[in-house]
Amino acid sequence: DIVMTQSPLSLPGTLGQPASISCRPTQSLTHNDGNTYLNWFQQRPGQSPRRLIYEVSKRDSGVPDRFSGSGSGTDFTLKISRVEAEDVGVYYCMQGTHWPYTFGQGTKLEIK
Amino acid sequence: EVHLVESGGGLVQPGDSLRLSCAASGFSLSGVWMSWVRQAPGKGLEWVATIKDDGTEKYYVDSVKGRFTISRDNVENSLYLQMNRLTAEDTAVYYCARNPRSPIYWGQGTLVTVSS
Repeated sequence: DIVMTQSPLSLPGTLGQPASISCRPTQSLTHNDGNTYLNWFQQRPGQSPRRLIYEVSKRDSGVPDRFSGSGSGTDFTLKISRVEAEDVGVYYCMQGTHWPYTFGQGTKLEIK
Repeated sequence: EVHLVESGGGLVQPGDSLRLSCAASGFSLSGVWMSWVRQAPGKGLEWVATIKDDGTEKYYVDSVKGRFTISRDNVENSLYLQMNRLTAEDTAVYYCARNPRSPIYWGQGTLVTVSS
């Protein structure tokens, strides 16, 4: 199974400042169809996961443009350009290329 | 508007069985792959099972193989998870999700608690 390693696991964010989360899979996520199924989710307390980014860098409708995804191969990053209070929650990367699909351990973003 | 509503969770004893349902609305299940994902209390997310749009292919995480069965009824627009021989390690909120490779739509989840 592909292991998705996220870092950091705890992220003390500062309002208005940038923050980033790294996700490193144990193997390439490029599918035979040419797509790279690397997603990022936000989960606020008591809520279901919400997809923010799909296929590495495509932002979902309604997601603030302060969120961006990048990367390739075995190195991916979620960046928040300016942390806001509503960004508090746990962020997961997830690969949908190889079964079983797997998630990272989650990164808890709190405001310091 | 797309909605996924899970039901069927509850408190059961080790060794018991439970059947979860996921009712879809706002879209047709036909032509859509679906999955179950679970989250143990205070823990991360784990894929459980995925089913092809026509039901001909099914995939399971190793920890549930032989015990859980994913199925669907495209006429009823519903997804199911039959869970047998439950253990404490199966205690979790179970979510259904659409388009497993890149799931944008999730239900609110149903809690399964396995305890004696």
